[in-house]
Amino acid sequence: DAMVIQNPRYQVTQFGKPVTLSCSQTLNHNVMYWYQQKSSQAPKLLFHYYDKDFNNEADTPDNFQSRRPNTSFCFLDIRSPGLGDAAMYLCATRTGHLGVGQYFGPGTRLTVT
Amino acid sequence: AQSVTQLGSHVSVSEGALVLLRCNYSSSVPPYLFWYVQYPNQGLQLLLKYTTGATLVKGINGFEAEFKKSETSFHLTKPSAHMSDAAEYFCAVGGTGGTSYGKLTFGQGTILTVHP
Repeated sequence: DAMVIQNPRYQVTQFGKPVTLSCSQTLNHNVMYWYQQKSSQAPKLLFHYYDKDFNNEADTPDNFQSRRPNTSFCFLDIRSPGLGDAAMYLCATRTGHLGVGQYFGPGTRLTVT
Repeated sequence: AQSVTQLGSHVSVSEGALVLLRCNYSSSVPPYLFWYVQYPNQGLQLLLKYTTGATLVKGINGFEAEFKKSETSFHLTKPSAHMSDAAEYFCAVGGTGGTSYGKLTFGQGTILTVHP
């Protein structure tokens, strides 16, 4: 009965080689978020979708892109990963009601070699 | 603008002792407040939340937190620590207006260690 699913859980990519991380949800939530979390730090919001409406954080590098083809799926594309992009990437969802909070997936740990 | 400060990046307690993790927030509008727990190599799990109403909120795993507006605090407590409580805990404020709408601002996290 997993609600927010992230695949793969662990991803290794080479410096400069494009990589895509996947998130899916069974909750039918309107909003989906992508966070980057580096070791011993708080999650940092990269962008989010409200339905098909894309919202980029001002300090998210252009190297990071996202797609949401339908309600259930959202993808994070890193066009040219650098060593500094090694991190845990967390997907989260929420309904239209702010007070419910966000539901997080288990994360994908990205290693860049 | 909103912000969260968690006092103490590391807290260590004995099994069976009281757990107290401190969180202070800043928000220009009435806040929604959350505590999340994160186990190693896992995502964040919601422990409890405050939106409106009763200021003492109870969550999962025996945790509770009290919203104190006058102190701008939302400290997390548990009467008796268990070994399984060892994890990292994040306090977050949820934006309810302006450019922060729908976003979570996290504190830096507190790593809880429980020793026998």
